[in-house]
Amino acid sequence: QQQVKQSPQSLIVQKGGISIINCAYENTAFDYFPWYQQFPGKGPALLIAIRPDVSEKKEGRFTISFNKSAKQFSLHIMDSQPGDSATYFCAASIGTSGSRLTFGEGTQLTVNP
Amino acid sequence: DSGVTQTPKHLITATGQRVTLRCSPRSGDLSVYWYQQSLDQGLQFLIQYYNGEERAKGNILERFSAQQFPDLHSELNLSSLELGDSALYFCASSTLGGEAFFGQGTRLTVV
Repeated sequence: QQQVKQSPQSLIVQKGGISIINCAYENTAFDYFPWYQQFPGKGPALLIAIRPDVSEKKEGRFTISFNKSAKQFSLHIMDSQPGDSATYFCAASIGTSGSRLTFGEGTQLTVNP
Repeated sequence: DSGVTQTPKHLITATGQRVTLRCSPRSGDLSVYWYQQSLDQGLQFLIQYYNGEERAKGNILERFSAQQFPDLHSELNLSSLELGDSALYFCASSTLGGEAFFGQGTRLTVV
């Protein structure tokens, strides 16, 4: 059972544009929502994370928006750069950030120069 | 570099064989996780160990087993391999409650 659904599967954005990736979850027990960035040949790396007591978290060009009632969260990448081209995964876990992660299907982002 | 070391990086083996994947966690991390990444299933949690004890189990096949040793390194054993077991296998480590750091993975190809 896929508990975290991610869209779109792929995304092409022009340099300087905004990239938006959406995720929806089913399990209301989830209380930690990280986003991971993965480059080819590398493991996923934590980009930014949020807990459901806040609706938005911003770190540099990356922002997570969280809607607890809709059970949805999204990643916004402002001023997208070619170096942001990677696969992005949303995830969710229960309890702590060190718990088992349930991942979305992934979004392959391409930022054209 | 995440500090998590996985060996080997690549592995090619035949159906029916058994392989062992190794993971050395970051210094000080007591938790080790194993994930499988395949094209059709995405990133799936397999199993977690904490300080040598199994802590959580995901959709890990009975043909697969893992352990964490006293020096905290972990091994994932895959037996009676099938073509469908071809995937990237990631190890991650964390402190209890801390961020999970992923290794670079072992790419397993079963032919």
